[in-house]
Amino acid sequence: DGGITQSPKYLFRKEGQNVTLSCEQNLNHDAMYWYRQDPGQGLRLIYYSQIVNDFQKGDIAEGYSVSREKKESFPLTVTSAQKNPTAFYLCASSMGPRADGYTFGSGTRLTVV
Amino acid sequence: KQEVTQIPAALSVPEGENLVLNCSFTDSAIYNLQWFRQDPGKGLTSLLLIQSSQREQTSGRLNASLDKSSGRSTLYIAASQPGDSATYLCAFNTQRSSYKLIFGSGTRLLVRP
Repeated sequence: DGGITQSPKYLFRKEGQNVTLSCEQNLNHDAMYWYRQDPGQGLRLIYYSQIVNDFQKGDIAEGYSVSREKKESFPLTVTSAQKNPTAFYLCASSMGPRADGYTFGSGTRLTVV
Repeated sequence: KQEVTQIPAALSVPEGENLVLNCSFTDSAIYNLQWFRQDPGKGLTSLLLIQSSQREQTSGRLNASLDKSSGRSTLYIAASQPGDSATYLCAFNTQRSSYKLIFGSGTRLLVRP
């Protein structure tokens, strides 16, 4: 079955530590996205990539980094520079750059301990 | 500033009721408007997508309308069931920023048996 796989489902980070969230898709989608969701709020765009080896900052990119070395993969690193990283992180992909056929992963819940 | 407002924030209804969820957005240069469903701790599932040239879309018991001139969309759920209990999120993108979905904070729906 085609879809987006995010791992891990739960992640705990110590203060000052970098962590990487995995996102893999087998939908042959060109565009991939990372969103952050805080309790009771909508989603906010962190980074997006429309093609391999290219990515752009979203609205809240500070303290995060990404790479897009393969079409199928778009990992997100939460660095120690992100002051409030506890949140629910959602990866998504779409067929083209215009958000048609948007598909979301099941999310990773990151908690700072 | 591009914003999406969803009213009400929470709704509790008895099973079998017809209900309407409201979404208002600030940018008239809309490209797509989408309604998503989110179950607790899960990713988002796309329910309906309305392109800017359309006025409504239907899928089963769901009907979504779009009025660009007033900046509003409604999601109508007919004959609600306990399985409809979830958070419903509205999101839009624009012609000049088609890659990015702008989300509301959602309406949390509880359908009581």
